[in-house]
Amino acid sequence: GESVGLHLPTLSVQEGDNSIINCAYSNSASDYFIWYKQESGKGPQFIIDIRSNMDKRQGQRVTVLLNKTVKHLSLQIAATQPGDSAVYFCAEKGSGNEKLTFGTGTRLTIIP
Amino acid sequence: GAVVSQHPSRVICKSGTSVKIECRSLDFQATTMFWYRQFPKQSLMLMATSNEGSKATYEQGVEKDKFLINHASLTLSTLTVTSAHPEDSSFYICSARGGAMNTEAFFGQGTRLTVV
Repeated sequence: GESVGLHLPTLSVQEGDNSIINCAYSNSASDYFIWYKQESGKGPQFIIDIRSNMDKRQGQRVTVLLNKTVKHLSLQIAATQPGDSAVYFCAEKGSGNEKLTFGTGTRLTIIP
Repeated sequence: GAVVSQHPSRVICKSGTSVKIECRSLDFQATTMFWYRQFPKQSLMLMATSNEGSKATYEQGVEKDKFLINHASLTLSTLTVTSAHPEDSSFYICSARGGAMNTEAFFGQGTRLTVV
């Protein structure tokens, strides 16, 4: 399954399938990007990050892709599990700027 | 990863009273801490940035006299919601950055504030 972030804030994926969550960012000066997972009633949990000098980074079952040309970031989750159900936020930080700017979030639901 | 502890996780207070929320970095020194507010089904909204030993920098539209932030040590920042009203009910989250992980920000568990 695939989402377009702002236009599709919810995404349902069958357990075991791969999911792709997308994020468009606006600041071309942003040089650091993070994906967070937030479960209901909890604070955001760091998943994976990527710097602007890279276009791909892999973690355990997760991959982040960065396309600076179109200012697009995506999070791929492989072999989804029920525990992956949460809201996922992308965040960006500009060079020399302390603040993180968060995207609107995408709710991912894994269907058993 | 680094641990940030936020307390309390839930608080209910009467209108007109003040509530203090604590944010602690447990295994690193947080040179910078951030306070966010989150409404249901919405993203995180940055309220203020605080650096240890200096005054917090508030985002536009955030009342500094209502949301008092203190960052007196490298491991503790507090947010005090003064004269709370029902519209202040929200989920408040802190994050901390510092030490070797000077780019990545780690988040606390959040505080659900309900003003009745």
